[in-house]
Amino acid sequence: NAGVTQTPKFQVLKTGQSMTLQCAQDMNHNSMYWYRQDPGMGLRLIYYSASEGTTDKGEVPNGYNVSRLNKREFSLRLESAAPSQTSVYFCASSEGYEQYFGPGTRLTVT
Amino acid sequence: DQQVKQNSPSLSVQEGRISILNCDYTNSMFDYFLWYKKYPAEGPTFLISISSIKDKNEDGRFTVFLNKSAKHLSLHIVPSQPGDSAVYFCAASGSGSGNTGKLIFGQGTTLQVKP
Repeated sequence: NAGVTQTPKFQVLKTGQSMTLQCAQDMNHNSMYWYRQDPGMGLRLIYYSASEGTTDKGEVPNGYNVSRLNKREFSLRLESAAPSQTSVYFCASSEGYEQYFGPGTRLTVT
Repeated sequence: DQQVKQNSPSLSVQEGRISILNCDYTNSMFDYFLWYKKYPAEGPTFLISISSIKDKNEDGRFTVFLNKSAKHLSLHIVPSQPGDSAVYFCAASGSGSGNTGKLIFGQGTTLQVKP
């Protein structure tokens, strides 16, 4: 089992460009999450999906959209990237309290 | 407002000694707490958890203590090993986070274990 996979691992964007971060899990979990990690800020929840077909905003949703494509896949889209979105993005999945994380995507917006 | 706080950004201990990482929370509705460990360029991995009905949970070298009245939990690592050097995040869940599955994370504490 691969667990939670994320693509790409690294990305550099110019301000105003768009991109989609992909996430997939093979653990048959119902819930999936997108976080961003910034120095001194811990992990902050951007969006989550409690089950296939549902999505909800987290703590810092502005500037992002998500799609729960099916039970396995949960994508995060930046429509018009801004330098403030420079961060490391983590996807996670869970079936209870314990969440399993992917390896992360390091995004730089110049 | 930060509902889960780790007030020590870093901690340095000698190999073989005890490491104590602390975490405070403000919302009394949290009923489940977790510790995650994160190495550079990797995702966080689950380490140990505790339910609010307990005050201690032990797993090998790792013990988590919960003091509900003080809204405080701590992670003890005994003995500390150089491979324990990582960032440690505490997290809380329960009706206080609005959804059983959602976790609220602290800012993290970087632990360095010196050989």
